[in-house]
Amino acid sequence: QKEVEQDPGPLSVPEGAIVSLNCTYSNSAFQYFMWYRQYSRKGPELLMYTYSSGNKEDGRFTAQVDKSSKYISLFIRDSQPSDSATYLCAMRPLDSNYQLIWGAGTKLIIKP
Amino acid sequence: EPEVTQTPSHQVTQMGQEVILRCVPISNHLYFYWYRQILGQKVEFLVSFYNNEISEKSEIFDDQFSVERPDGSNFTLKIRSTKLEDSAMYFCASSEDLAGELFFGEGSRLTVL
Repeated sequence: QKEVEQDPGPLSVPEGAIVSLNCTYSNSAFQYFMWYRQYSRKGPELLMYTYSSGNKEDGRFTAQVDKSSKYISLFIRDSQPSDSATYLCAMRPLDSNYQLIWGAGTKLIIKP
Repeated sequence: EPEVTQTPSHQVTQMGQEVILRCVPISNHLYFYWYRQILGQKVEFLVSFYNNEISEKSEIFDDQFSVERPDGSNFTLKIRSTKLEDSAMYFCASSEDLAGELFFGEGSRLTVL
């Protein structure tokens, strides 16, 4: 069974801090790894998309995938109050072209 | 900026009633999806739709559910006889190609009484 685990938080940090968000998965049958941000009463919005182990950087965001440890991370540098949201990881199984398996989401609060 | 729009934003219905949730995907997108999120739980895949047919569906998407693209713009999810456990936020999404980014609508909240 494909499972994605994510600490629901909330995670509260001061403005300007580096934030680390993480997901683990229980088997190796995933091909794409994504991070979504969801504001209250809104749909998920894609932040980062990776398919291989290693790091990918986009502005203040860095996504990291470690397939050997079955662990993915999202780092946010210079965090802002506007980054306060729920962050969801999602993964596409190898045996699917379409569906995503989601983590529970971590609620992040950036305190001014 | 193009966006996925969903209606209604909130629907309250009685158990056993039929519900149709509507979505207008981004106009040049070819792949369409429905996901749901029960309050406090994970987002769950329901179904994907491409070339006027279901391309993949989950175990949740049983005979009570159906999808349709009745014209060139709308994509609908029908629940024939709603149950209490169908209460959830339903998200429509679309993508330009198979490996492309999924763009989500703001969701339709369904409450079954």
